[in-house]
Amino acid sequence: DTAVSQTPKYLVTQMGNDKSIKCEQNLGHDTMYWYKQDSKKFLKIMFSYNNKELIINETVPNRFSPKSPDKAHLNLHINSLELGDSAVYFCASSQGTTNYEQYFGPGTRLTVT
Amino acid sequence: DQQVKQNSPSLSVQEGRISILNCDYTNSMFDYFLWYKKYPAEGPTFLISISSIKDKNEDGRFTVFLNKSAKHLSLHIVPSQPGDSAVYFCAASGSGTYKYIFGTGTRLKVLA
Repeated sequence: DTAVSQTPKYLVTQMGNDKSIKCEQNLGHDTMYWYKQDSKKFLKIMFSYNNKELIINETVPNRFSPKSPDKAHLNLHINSLELGDSAVYFCASSQGTTNYEQYFGPGTRLTVT
Repeated sequence: DQQVKQNSPSLSVQEGRISILNCDYTNSMFDYFLWYKKYPAEGPTFLISISSIKDKNEDGRFTVFLNKSAKHLSLHIVPSQPGDSAVYFCAASGSGTYKYIFGTGTRLKVLA
């Protein structure tokens, strides 16, 4: 019974395309996150939602748009994909906004050609 | 500006011995720290955390030590097992910031 799931696991697409990554958690958490792990293995936060409201928006290009239809889902839509967007994207959730451990999904490896 | 640093990219340890993974931070506002373990093709898994009001937290084979004056924390694994072979990340957060800053990870290899 997967706690945090992401689809797809792998995504290969061409530059200029638009793609979405979906995330769902069944832990009853009210906070969800998107992280990007680049080729240097840095794990950097991109966005965070608490009770469907955006609370963290790091310096991410506005081609990236998160959407939280409900507390259990946080999707990431990327417009006009660029080569530099190639990375592993992780979704995570936590019980609260601070001092709580985060539960991560398995990651989505995005390759832009 | 990397606020959380793991200066050892890799570490090899014999099975049964102690593994010590280190993490340094620069931001004195950080007050909560976590360690995660990551296997290939999987997401990070939470291991253990520590609040800045403590200097030690223990959970089974895993102990985290925090030295606030040195802005340093370490994760001790005793005894190390081959299944502990993974990449370990430390992460830090400050009150009200809502986010964690991750280190770059240390790859631990436990040799049988």
